[in-house]
Amino acid sequence: GAGVSQSPSNKVTEKGKDVELRCDPISGHTALYWYRQRLGQGLEFLIYFQGNSAPDKSGLPSDRFSAERTGESVSTLTIQRTQQEDSAVYLCASSFTQGGAGTDTQYFGPGTRLTVL
Amino acid sequence: GNSVTQMEGPVTLSEEAFLTINCTYTATGYPSLFWYVQYPGEGLQLLLKATKADDKGSNKGFEATYRKETTSFHLEKGSVQVSDSAVYFCALRKGYNKLIFGAGTRLAVHP
Repeated sequence: GAGVSQSPSNKVTEKGKDVELRCDPISGHTALYWYRQRLGQGLEFLIYFQGNSAPDKSGLPSDRFSAERTGESVSTLTIQRTQQEDSAVYLCASSFTQGGAGTDTQYFGPGTRLTVL
Repeated sequence: GNSVTQMEGPVTLSEEAFLTINCTYTATGYPSLFWYVQYPGEGLQLLLKATKADDKGSNKGFEATYRKETTSFHLEKGSVQVSDSAVYFCALRKGYNKLIFGAGTRLAVHP
């Protein structure tokens, strides 16, 4: 079956512009995560959606970052007024989480490489 | 807070050599521990996991044992292949599902 897909695969933008990144999770997966991977570093958690619960936004680095998810489908991560330090690979993952037990495997998409000039 | 530290790369080995990539963690309680792998041009994939102390995760010839006394989860493989060349990430999960990753270790295996 289809895995997690993300678009675009690459995005080059100018400082100060807004960008939208899209994630299509695996069908039926209730949980969706966004992570950021800066060059040479590990992944940083950004935000987590679980069903209709309020999202966990604790990892968002500033109020320029926001994300939405409609039901258990597509999610978009928006970065407003981009800065050069926002350059990174943005990864999306989804999982089928049962009862909040947190034991299910996260499946990752290929990522969107964002370059802010 | 919770954190993961793994050995810096790159690690360069000849085919059939023994591999160890060290990983230690800081966390309260009993986190679940993971190794993820990122092959060139591909997305991150779960390699193996362990959910409690003394558990051994294994997959594709790789193994890692959850050692609570040393707060470690070192990745090992007895005989690496060129196809194992990738970046390996150690991670822990505490609570619902948020993963905390190490910085990654690049492995290059030469014939």
